Amino acid sequence: EVQLVESGGGLVKPGGSLRLSCVASGFTFSDYTLTWVRQAPGKGLEWVSSISSTSYFKYSPDSLKGRFTISRDNAENSLYLQMDSLRAEDTAVYYCARVGMTTVTDWYFDLWGRGTLVTVSS
Amino acid sequence: EIVLTQSPATLSLSPGETATLSCRASQSVSSSLGWYQQKPGQAPRLLIYDASNRATGIPARFSGSGYGTDFTLTISSLVPEDFAVYYCQQRSNWPLTFGGGTKVEIK
Repeated sequence: EVQLVESGGGLVKPGGSLRLSCVASGFTFSDYTLTWVRQAPGKGLEWVSSISSTSYFKYSPDSLKGRFTISRDNAENSLYLQMDSLRAEDTAVYYCARVGMTTVTDWYFDLWGRGTLVTVSS
Repeated sequence: EIVLTQSPATLSLSPGETATLSCRASQSVSSSLGWYQQKPGQAPRLLIYDASNRATGIPARFSGSGYGTDFTLTISSLVPEDFAVYYCQQRSNWPLTFGGGTKVEIK
C-alpha cells in the first residue's frame, strides 16, 4: 500500500525540541521530493519545509528558518523534521506529504500521511 | 508572499446542488494553482492541479477553472461525501501558500 506514516509528536515545553519522523512505503521513496505541512487546531494549512530527492535542495519559509531542519534517509525510506526552540504557536498537526513527480504536478502534494500532533505548552 | 483569499468561508448547500468556490491570489500565479479537499480528522487530498486538471481518481463532478488571480472550483451535483473543507494552494512563488479554506456544509 502506498502510504506515509508520521510519528514523534507529543507534548513539549516552550523552548524545547522535538524530532518528527515519516516512514514511506509502497513507492520509490528516493525518487520524490518530500514536504512537511502543518495545521494549527481549527486553522488552515501552512507549508513548513521541503527536501529534494537527494537532499541537495532544502526549502522553507523565512519565518521558520533557523528553528526547523528537514532531512531524509533514503536507505530507511524516512523523512525527518527537527524542531528546536519550540513556541506555543508551533502547536499543530504536522503532515508529511509527497510532491508530485511530473512537471505539471511538481510542488503539489499528491500523497499525505495522517499527521502527528505537536503540542507546545508549559 | 502570495496571499490566497478563499470565499465564501462557508457554503451551505443541499445534496444535488452545485458548489462554486472562489480563490483569489494577491498577484498572478498563472495557472499554478491547486485544490485540496479535507474531511474532519483526515489528511488533505489533492483534487485539482494547474487550475483545471483533475488528480488521479477524482470524480468528474469536480472541475477547476481560472488563470492569473481568479480561480474557481466547481462541484456539480453534491453527494454526501463532498461536504468538507476545500483549500487552494499556489506553486508559482516561494513560499508555497494555501488559502484559508471554504467549508461546504449540508444545509
